[in-house]
Amino acid sequence: ETGVTQTPRHLVMGMTNKKSLKCEQHLGHNAMYWYKQSAKKPLELMFVYNFKEQTENNSVPSRFSPECPNSSHLFLHLHTLQPEDSALYLCASSPLAGGATQYFGPGTRLLVL
Amino acid sequence: AQSVTQLDSHVSVSEGTPVLLRCNYSSSYSPSLFWYVQHPNKGLQLLLKYTSAATLVKGINGFEAEFKKSETSFHLTKPSAHMSDAAEYFCVVSPTGNQFYFGTGTSLTVIP
Repeated sequence: ETGVTQTPRHLVMGMTNKKSLKCEQHLGHNAMYWYKQSAKKPLELMFVYNFKEQTENNSVPSRFSPECPNSSHLFLHLHTLQPEDSALYLCASSPLAGGATQYFGPGTRLLVL
Repeated sequence: AQSVTQLDSHVSVSEGTPVLLRCNYSSSYSPSLFWYVQHPNKGLQLLLKYTSAATLVKGINGFEAEFKKSETSFHLTKPSAHMSDAAEYFCVVSPTGNQFYFGTGTSLTVIP
C-alpha cells in the first residue's frame, strides 16, 4: 500500500463528456503530480502542485484542468477529450517538490471513445 | 537539455542469473537519479535513489545501481533474478526544480 489512492481505476468516456479523476494521499506530503502514461512512450509529467500551488504545467492542453484544494487531494477535470488522450493517468506525491522521492498511486485507465 | 535513455526495451534472464538494466542520462545539472518498478496494474514503486552521496546505491529487493558520471550511466543490477522481479523498470532523472524525466522503460522477463 503506497498511501496514494486514485479513483476511478477505470473510466470510459465519450469525447463530449465531462469527468474528473481524483487522487488522495495519506502520507502528509506537500507536493502532488499528474502523469500520463501511454503505450511505448515515456511517462509525461503534466502538472506539479507544491503546497496547493501549481508550479509546473508542461504544455498540457486546456481540455485537462487540474485542481488542488488542499495538500492531500488532487483532481484532474476532463472535458472534450480526444481518442489520443486514452492512457493511464498516474498521480504521485512527495514530501516536497524538487528531486524528492515520489510515491505513486495505481493509476486511472482512461479510454476515450 | 535533460533526457534519459534506457538502452534495452526488453530483457530476458533465467531465474537465479544476474540482471543488468541499462540507463544513460544527460543533464545540465547534477541530477537526482531514480529507478522505479511497475508491476502489472500497479503504480510505480521506488527501487532506489541517487542524490550525490555514495555512487553505489542499494535499493529494495536486492537491487543496486552505480552512478558513473564519466559514462553518464546509472545501470541497475541484481545478482540473482527471482520470478517476482518480472515487471517494467523505469530510470528517471530529476534536475533541479520540479521536473522528472522518465525513460521509456525496460520490460524484464524471468524464465523459470
